[in-house]
Amino acid sequence: DAGVTQSPTHLIKTRGQQVTLRCSPKSGHDTVSWYQQALGQGPQFIFQYYEEEERQRGNFPDRFSGHQFPNYSSELNVNALLLGDSALYLCASSLDRAFRVGGYTFGSGTRLTVV
Amino acid sequence: SQQGEEDPQALSIQEGENATMNCSYKTSINNLQWYRQNSGRGLVHLILIRSNEREKHSGRLRVTLDTSKKSSSLLITASRAADTASYFCATDAKTSYDKVIFGPGTSLSVIP
Repeated sequence: DAGVTQSPTHLIKTRGQQVTLRCSPKSGHDTVSWYQQALGQGPQFIFQYYEEEERQRGNFPDRFSGHQFPNYSSELNVNALLLGDSALYLCASSLDRAFRVGGYTFGSGTRLTVV
Repeated sequence: SQQGEEDPQALSIQEGENATMNCSYKTSINNLQWYRQNSGRGLVHLILIRSNEREKHSGRLRVTLDTSKKSSSLLITASRAADTASYFCATDAKTSYDKVIFGPGTSLSVIP
């Protein structure tokens, strides 16, 4: 049973560029949440997608946008990259609000470096 | 602002000793979860305790929850070198529907 798959694993971008990160949720899961984790800090909630809609959003600027496809996979897009966007981006999946019972399943993350 | 705050920030113990980490939060919650992260990779869900529960066990893990003090503790008994990791508490607040908010974490080092 495949877990959460994220791609790419590592990415280096130049300031001002745009980036797209991808996530395939665990089989049977339909809800995807994205987190940003700076070095030495806890994950920060970006947004959550369910039924192809953004259900909840954290305190991130509009440069951060997302999408969920009918197969439940998701993309995170970041425009006009800043040096401060360098972080580990984590995707977490669950079956709707079942994260309230069994928690999230996380992917291994995408390490984004902005130079 | 962060919903959860772990204490201590870093903890170093000898193999076989017990490790205790604490988490404080600010608002009413539906549940509180603990996760482990090895070397900056993905997080692994350890245990979830609901707001109406006071204590929960899973293997060598024991979690307590005191909603009156808005705090939780994670106890790892008989620690092993493989327990070396960062540990995060995460809260599902009643006022932040569908957001699970993580604290800054406790870095645990278990010395063989």
